[in-house]
Amino acid sequence: ETGVTQTPRHLVMGMTNKKSLKCEQHLGHNAMYWYKQSAKKPLELMFVYNFKEQTENNSVPSRFSPECPNSSHLFLHLHTLQPEDSALYLCASSQEDRLAGANEQFFGPGTRLTVL
Amino acid sequence: GNSVTQMEGPVTLSEEAFLTINCTYTATGYPSLFWYVQYPGEGLQLLLKATKADDKGSNKGFEATYRKETTSFHLEKGSVQVSDSAVYFCALSGYQAGTALIFGKGTTLSVSS
Repeated sequence: ETGVTQTPRHLVMGMTNKKSLKCEQHLGHNAMYWYKQSAKKPLELMFVYNFKEQTENNSVPSRFSPECPNSSHLFLHLHTLQPEDSALYLCASSQEDRLAGANEQFFGPGTRLTVL
Repeated sequence: GNSVTQMEGPVTLSEEAFLTINCTYTATGYPSLFWYVQYPGEGLQLLLKATKADDKGSNKGFEATYRKETTSFHLEKGSVQVSDSAVYFCALSGYQAGTALIFGKGTTLSVSS
């Protein structure tokens, strides 16, 4: 595998289900990100993990719970979602230098989530 | 705070037409600037970037020049193809590592033969 991979590519879940999205980067990067992309708001940053520490949480509801067990893996745990949470969830990674500004990000193909 | 403004789409062109997608930004410091492209059903791919004023990024026939005086990073291509149909996002870097990129709202390009 190369680049950034995401599984599953498609997910349909009921509002009472619990599911997890997985992201893996094979680029040796030290920062990982979750974005939500929907028709109403094209790209919303949800969470940032920099050097394995969560450094940003953009007022995301608690029904979304991120986990970053190591610098290569990132999860998004989902529970009691709402239909308006249906969207494309994109994972990205980058190599960050503490002394420099943010660098380019490499994106996975996304998980298309539908909440019924 | 930092922000990016892109022209609203959709942009509809015929094959071989000239393309310009406008992007302007507001930023403190000296950010890097990026154009990403998203083809249907896929994630975002980096198309080109520029890291300092007057730099020109180029890739696959696309070009954009980092203009500090006009705070712009317009995307251009001399002759578009049907395969260029996609959504294009302008983005700028935060000044701090790990602060994530700031994206514009995206411009949909549709090219017909």
